Amino acid sequence: AQSVTQPDIHITVSEGASLELRCNYSYGATPYLFWYVQSPGQGLQLLLKYFSGDTLVQGIKGFEAEFKRSQSSFNLRKPSVHWSDAAEYFCAVGGTDSWGKFQFGAGTQVVVTP
Amino acid sequence: KAGVTQTPRYLIKTRGQQVTLSCSPISGHRSVSWYQQTPGQGLQFLFEYFSETQRNKGNFPGRFSGRQFSNSRSEMNVSTLELGDSALYLCASSTDTDTQYFGPGTRLTVL
Repeated sequence: AQSVTQPDIHITVSEGASLELRCNYSYGATPYLFWYVQSPGQGLQLLLKYFSGDTLVQGIKGFEAEFKRSQSSFNLRKPSVHWSDAAEYFCAVGGTDSWGKFQFGAGTQVVVTP
Repeated sequence: KAGVTQTPRYLIKTRGQQVTLSCSPISGHRSVSWYQQTPGQGLQFLFEYFSETQRNKGNFPGRFSGRQFSNSRSEMNVSTLELGDSALYLCASSTDTDTQYFGPGTRLTVL
């Protein structure tokens, strides 16, 4: 069965420090992988996506993610966080065999301290 | 290009009533998906429509239904509301099975 795991429910990071959010997936076919961010009471904003090719992908707001097939992982990173990065982050998996249906992780809440 | 819009943004209903939520996709997008988001269950897929046809459906009771119009706008309906239906309902559009772009959601509260 398809699944997406975000092991960290909550992460606290100091402003200016680096951030890494973990995502592991289980998917039968070649996955499409996404990271979204959600601010309180808002919808989901796409940060970046991976379909194929270069396994290191760049996104908006200074985020990047690395696809590692051998580890079934797609971890999100940012070298230096800003207070505005405080939000909830979701990893998602989709593919051509699941019309319009994304599987989401449970989310990681990121708190940024001064 | 305008993003995905959802109306209304907030809704309060009582148990037993029914509700209809609307979603207008990004221009040119023919696929619309619906998700329910709750603190306990997270983001759960409801259904997806493409060119007025439901192509995929999640594990929700038949009280949850949807449709898509020829202009790709979509509606979802929940009949006989239950307290547990209180949630943020998110709509997403895409060109096909590609990247999904989400609207701001409709916050439904059932009293």
